[in-house]
Parts: sequence; C-alpha cells; structure tokens
Amino acid sequence: GENVEQHPSTLSVQEGDSAVIKCTYSDSASNYFPWYKQELGKGPQLIIDIRSNVGEKKDQRIAVTLNKTAKHFSLHITETQPEDSAVYFCAASRAGNNRLAFGKGNQVVVIP
Amino acid sequence: GAGVSQSPSNKVTEKGKDVELRCDPISGHTALYWYRQSLGQGLEFLIYFQGNSAPDKSGLPSDRFSAERTGGSVSTLTIQRTQQEDSAVYLCASSPGGGRRDTQYFGPGTRLTVL
Repeated sequence: GENVEQHPSTLSVQEGDSAVIKCTYSDSASNYFPWYKQELGKGPQLIIDIRSNVGEKKDQRIAVTLNKTAKHFSLHITETQPEDSAVYFCAASRAGNNRLAFGKGNQVVVIP
Repeated sequence: GAGVSQSPSNKVTEKGKDVELRCDPISGHTALYWYRQSLGQGLEFLIYFQGNSAPDKSGLPSDRFSAERTGGSVSTLTIQRTQQEDSAVYLCASSPGGGRRDTQYFGPGTRLTVL
C-alpha cells in the first residue's frame, strides 16, 4: 500500500518567517494530495489540496508544490503567524481507492 | 453549513465492554470514512462507505470492530469487548460525490479511553 513520510517532525519558526514541510510518497499511481491542519483537541481541517495534473497551487499565504517524478510534495506557509501553530498532516490517495494514507504529522511552532 | 459531527466527544469504558461511536456526515455527502488516531501518530484508515455499502473495510483491525451506515447518512462504529489498545481518537470524515469525491472533511473525533 501507499507509504507517506513527512519531514521534519518538528519545526520552529519566528513569526513572519516562512515554513516548509516536505512529504514523500511511494505509490506512483497516487493522484490526490491534501494537507490538513490539526489543532489540539480538534479534528483535522483541510487547508489545501493538489491533484497530479498540476505542479503548484496557492491560496493566500499557503501553497503546495508537487513533483511527480521525485514523488514528493511540500507545503509552504509564508508570513507565519502564531495561529499557524498546529500539527500538519500530508496525505495521498489514488483514483478508485479513496482511502487517504497519512504521514505522521509535523508539529509547527510559530514563535512570536 | 454544518460540518461532520461525532458523538460522544469523549468515552471512557472498562476493558471488555462494548462501545458505539456515532458519525453524522455533511448533508448530501455520499461517502463516509472512519479513521483512528493513536497518541502522537498519523491517521489510520478503518473503513469506507459509499452510500450504505462498505466496499473497503480492510482497515478494521479485528473482528471486534464493525460499522454500519443507514439511510445513506448516519454511521455507527461498534467496538466489542474493548481492549486497552483500542484507546485512541476515532475520526469520521465525509466527502461529496462527483468530481470532488476524494476530498474528505473530518469531524472533531471521539476520544475513547479503555481502562
């Protein structure tokens, strides 16, 4: 099955700086890659997603890039704010098999 | 509009007891998923419903786990004879049909503690 790995496990950034989280996946047939933000005691919240027919997608301060050849995708958060502090999960799925395979998550800490 | 809701938010039970966890998906969403999140870990897929049928239940860890969905809406996850290793947060997600069928929206989860 699909194996998704995230790096680094913990990331601390100064407020206003950028944060980048990278994920790799193993199944070349995967074609959908969402990112979720999870705050303490809450369920994961979808923040951005990308499909394999595009290489980059941006939504305000958040962007995701996809490299299908290398089988990795990254989340970029610019101008970080304290409310960006959370655990971020990447995931992958393939057409016809809608289950999401998740990475183990990254703890992002934005230092005011 | 209303998101995915789950109940109870917390459940404490004794080893060997049965528990039922409930999920109300977003209205109109045809697909429903159950995942389990153990402390400090990612999410582990359990089962997927399309309408009332479960084409993929391969993630259920043992025959003590079962789930059903009725009326294409509410789903119940049942764990029989609970064990301490069943302690986790159980998350439900739903997704719309059509071209966005792979986009999953999660509920707040049920935190299960087995003593």
